[in-house]
Amino acid sequence: EPEVTQTPSHQVTQMGQEVILRCVPISNHLYFYWYRQILGQKVEFLVSFYNNEISEKSEIFDDQFSVERPDGSNFTLKIRSTKLEDSAMYFCASTGEIWGSPLHFGNGTRLTVT
Amino acid sequence: LAKTTQPISMDSYEGQEVNITCSHNNIATNDYITWYQQFPSQGPRFIIQGYKTKVTNEVASLFIPADRKSSTLSLPRVSLSDTAVYYCLVVPQGPWGGATNKLIFGTGTLLAVQP
Repeated sequence: EPEVTQTPSHQVTQMGQEVILRCVPISNHLYFYWYRQILGQKVEFLVSFYNNEISEKSEIFDDQFSVERPDGSNFTLKIRSTKLEDSAMYFCASTGEIWGSPLHFGNGTRLTVT
Repeated sequence: LAKTTQPISMDSYEGQEVNITCSHNNIATNDYITWYQQFPSQGPRFIIQGYKTKVTNEVASLFIPADRKSSTLSLPRVSLSDTAVYYCLVVPQGPWGGATNKLIFGTGTLLAVQP
C-alpha cells in the first residue's frame, strides 16, 4: 500500500536555526497538509496546500513557517528561526480528493529545539 | 464544525469487543463521521467512515443511529496491538457553510488493552 514518507525521523536543532522537514506524499495525491503534535497534546492543523499554493493556514502557521513543493514529489515545511516551543512531532498528510477521501499521514518528524 | 465528545480513556482485555461512543450533537446534514487511530510516535491512521446506519470493514464497524447525534466504533476481539488513541471526527463533505477540508482532532480516547 502506498504511504507518505517523512524525513528525517528525528531532527535536533538549536534555537534560532532554520529547519526543513521533508515529505513525499502518495504519488497521485493532489492535496497536502502539515500537522503538528506537541508531546501529550492534540494533533493540530498547520496548513493545507493545493495547486502550488496555500489553501488554508492556522494561527500557528505564522511568518516563520513556509511550505513548498519544489518538484513533483517532495513537499517541505520550513521553519525559519526555530523557537523552543516549536519542539513537536510534525506530520505530513496527503489525499487524492478534497472532500470525502481520508487523509494519509506519514509517521512524522520529531523536532527537538534546544 | 461540529464538536465531538468521547471518553478520555477505556480499558479492555484481549479478545473482548470494545465499543467507543462519540457524541456530535451539532452534526450538519452534509457531515460524515470518521475515525482515526494513532499509535505512539506515529501519524494518525484512517480506520472507518460513515454517514448513517452501519459500516463495516476488515478492521472495525461503525454504528450511526438515525438522528446521527452519536456514533459507536466497534473493535471486535481486540489484541494488545490495538492499544492506541482513537479519534472521532466530524468531516464536512463539501464547502457548504464555509466548511473547509482540514481535520480538527480532539483529545481522542486512549484505549488500553491488557493481557
